[in-house]
Amino acid sequence: QEKVQQSPESLIVPEGAMSSLNCTFSNSASQSIWWYQQHPGKGPEALISIFSNGNKKEGRLTVYLNRASLHVSLHIRDSQPSDSAVYLCAVRFGGSNAKLTFGKGTKLSVKS
Amino acid sequence: EAAVTQSPRSKVAVTGGKVTLSCHQTNNHDYMYWYRQDTGHGLRLIHYSYVADSTEKGDIPDGYKASRPSQENFSLILELASLSQTAVYFCASSDNWGNTGQLYFGEGSKLTVL
Repeated sequence: QEKVQQSPESLIVPEGAMSSLNCTFSNSASQSIWWYQQHPGKGPEALISIFSNGNKKEGRLTVYLNRASLHVSLHIRDSQPSDSAVYLCAVRFGGSNAKLTFGKGTKLSVKS
Repeated sequence: EAAVTQSPRSKVAVTGGKVTLSCHQTNNHDYMYWYRQDTGHGLRLIHYSYVADSTEKGDIPDGYKASRPSQENFSLILELASLSQTAVYFCASSDNWGNTGQLYFGEGSKLTVL
């Protein structure tokens, strides 16, 4: 069964700092990788996705994907207290008919 | 306006009782999913469906049934609720372009089995 692992489990950063979250996955045949944000008591919301090796930037978010090392990272520039949430990495592996496999999440706390 | 709505948002059930969680989406999406979320396990897929009147097993289907009577509605049924099924359940939908992978989630249903 395909696996998705995230690190660290929790992360505390000061307001204005860069937050860096990591995700490794078990199969290089992954088709797409997503990052979701989940605030307490709410459902996850899609933030950003990446399909090809390299990086993708959207506003304060940058995602880096390296299929050879089975690694993807999410970086949040100028972190704000409102960014405090759990971040979930989700991978759609080849042949899985639109199923996504989620990691356990990284809890980000941004302190003002 | 919320596009995926779940009911009830919270429920307390007794062991051995029947529980039905309901989900309604207005996204006009073909795919619908039921996930459970537990501390230490993350989100795990229980059942999913890509067309009305048909459901598929996910990664942890044991103890659960699903029903998709229409494109908009998808239910999760626990015929004999057990303590181990205490969790938060999320319904989600996605369009038929499965390669995009984006799911739209509801707010969750917190189930406590006593």
